Amino acid sequence: GAVVSQHPSRVICKSGTSVKIECRSLDFQATTMFWYRQFPKKSLMLMATSNEGSKATYEQGVEKDKFLINHASLTLSTLTVTSAHPEDSSFYICSATTQGIGTEAFFGQGTRLTVV
Amino acid sequence: GEDVEQSLFLSVREGDSSVINCTYTDSSSTYLYWYKQEPGAGLQLLTYIFSNMDMKQDQRLTVLLNKKDKHLSLRIADTQTGDSAIYFCAERDGQNFVFGPGTRLSVLP
Repeated sequence: GAVVSQHPSRVICKSGTSVKIECRSLDFQATTMFWYRQFPKKSLMLMATSNEGSKATYEQGVEKDKFLINHASLTLSTLTVTSAHPEDSSFYICSATTQGIGTEAFFGQGTRLTVV
Repeated sequence: GEDVEQSLFLSVREGDSSVINCTYTDSSSTYLYWYKQEPGAGLQLLTYIFSNMDMKQDQRLTVLLNKKDKHLSLRIADTQTGDSAIYFCAERDGQNFVFGPGTRLSVLP
């Protein structure tokens, strides 16, 4: 199947700094990418949906100024956690899809963010 | 909005069958999915079923769909220790996936 590469897999940063997470579709063009956040022992919560060349659509309760999403090309989306705080520590997962209902989504391997 | 429910834990003995159940609310879902997540890893698609199907079998995996009751199940035959993971049921709402809370499967020797 198609491959989505997420980088880094783990990152530790200090409070107040910003962290960028990359999500790349390696062998297909992703018209839409999703960013999820997973809390311990909880399911995945959709943070935002991004379409290439457009502004991301954020879910209710997600601060768009804090979680900056850029989807500049059909193979790359980035999530930047700005001014990170310990409560932002979490597992972040991206997924990518191609156009058309019924096509599956391909998930990255996730990024474990720890803010100290 | 759409909601997907699963029991949170399941323990089985190695060699037995595991059955993970899921209920969903969106009757317009076209596809329903099962994903597996191993510790610290992303999601791996196990299988999916189109909504006009009742059953799909893929090696040790059997998916049953009761569309009337909005009930989906995943049966893993001859469960192995390597099957220990969290299993997420998901329905597709347009381009977005709505996930259940995940069922943590523990396989006992």
